[in-house]
Amino acid sequence: GEDVEQSLFLSVREGDSSVINCTYTDSSSTYLYWYKQEPGAGLQLLTYIFSNMDMKQDQRLTVLLNKKDKHLSLRIADTQTGDSAIYFCAELGGSYIPTFGRGTSLIVHP
Amino acid sequence: EAQVTQNPRYLITVTGKKLTVTCSQNMNHEYMSWYRQDPGLGLRQIYYSMNVEVTDKGDVPEGYKVSRKEKRNFPLILESPSPNQTSLYFCASSRQGTNYGYTFGSGTRLTVV
Repeated sequence: GEDVEQSLFLSVREGDSSVINCTYTDSSSTYLYWYKQEPGAGLQLLTYIFSNMDMKQDQRLTVLLNKKDKHLSLRIADTQTGDSAIYFCAELGGSYIPTFGRGTSLIVHP
Repeated sequence: EAQVTQNPRYLITVTGKKLTVTCSQNMNHEYMSWYRQDPGLGLRQIYYSMNVEVTDKGDVPEGYKVSRKEKRNFPLILESPSPNQTSLYFCASSRQGTNYGYTFGSGTRLTVV
């Protein structure tokens, strides 16, 4: 089946930029998503990008998509302690059933 | 407020005692799904439903049942729970075939002893 891969952990200093990477295998992906899960809570949709776009920016968040390499990244500028969470990459292909990555735990330290 | 509501939030039960986790959404979404989340394994899909009376197995359906008799409700049934079903469970819903992404419930932490 289709697969979505992301690294499990990322540690950054407060104020630095964070970059969370994701790779996927489904060449028919139409939408790609980033979700955020705070401790004790469900997943919340952060942002999404359509497969014919290269970049999307929303305040401190920048999503980059390299469709040729099937690589998606989420950049968080000026990372704050409140950004500490698990970030999930997900893709939606022709089946309309999303495939999620395992999640990247972002740890922000002072 | 648009939301997915799961109940209960926490549940401790004994092996073999049937239980149901309820899920309800108020957004008139066609698509609903159940996931379990385990450390290091991420989210794994248990069952999903494209619409009323239409359900399909996900990646890990063994030991679970679902039903979709009404559009808003999608209960998860464990007929005979076992300790390996101890996990954090999430229900999610979305409009079918759109870019809106998924709305998740707050989760149900189940412990089977």
